Amino acid sequence: DAKTTQPPSMDCAEGRAANLPCNHSTISGNEYVYWYRQIHSQGPQYIIHGLKNNETNEMASLIITEDRKSSTLILPHATLRDTAVYYCIVTDSWGKLQFGAGTQVVVTP
Amino acid sequence: GAVVSQHPSRVICKSGTSVKIECRSLDFQATTMFWYRQFPKQSLMLMATSNEGSKATYEQGVEKDKFLINHASLTLSTLTVTSAHPEDSSFYICSVPDREGETQYFGPGTRLLVL
Repeated sequence: DAKTTQPPSMDCAEGRAANLPCNHSTISGNEYVYWYRQIHSQGPQYIIHGLKNNETNEMASLIITEDRKSSTLILPHATLRDTAVYYCIVTDSWGKLQFGAGTQVVVTP
Repeated sequence: GAVVSQHPSRVICKSGTSVKIECRSLDFQATTMFWYRQFPKQSLMLMATSNEGSKATYEQGVEKDKFLINHASLTLSTLTVTSAHPEDSSFYICSVPDREGETQYFGPGTRLLVL
């Protein structure tokens, strides 16, 4: 059973911020929200993760709502190389990741 | 630089033969590694957990006698697809947990085509 819901696709203009939503209404207290992305024909790449506080690193920002039922991944300045499938994963076991369908993000010039 | 390598990157084999895929952790030792499979236009599916020095644990529906996993050292896990058939053609990806146990590094994947 999918623990997360993401839009199947979204387009973003190069240089603009990309905001990727994820719903996880059944998340439990000890589960983290992870984001990975997969560029075509490559292995997934870790982006960011969080429990309840907002997080930021060199790649992206993660905004988690106060009730933790949804989150948003923000790519501040999208580039063409950010075109990929983005996966939002909820898990209490960092090792066993259950990937959903993800969101295909296409960054256009 | 790469943290996890896989070999080969792609392989074509005849139906009925066996194929071995290697996954190496380049930067640190790993007592646990994970194997995933991805069919075209689908998401990754966890196949099994590779445990150094002990038997692998397989996800439901994955045949352990068909997908043999050997984690012989702290930096190497191998997946052998035995008696491969065309339906085994897929993208096989391994992952290694980071030192803090907070996330995963994924290998570049191995594309298997069984004719």
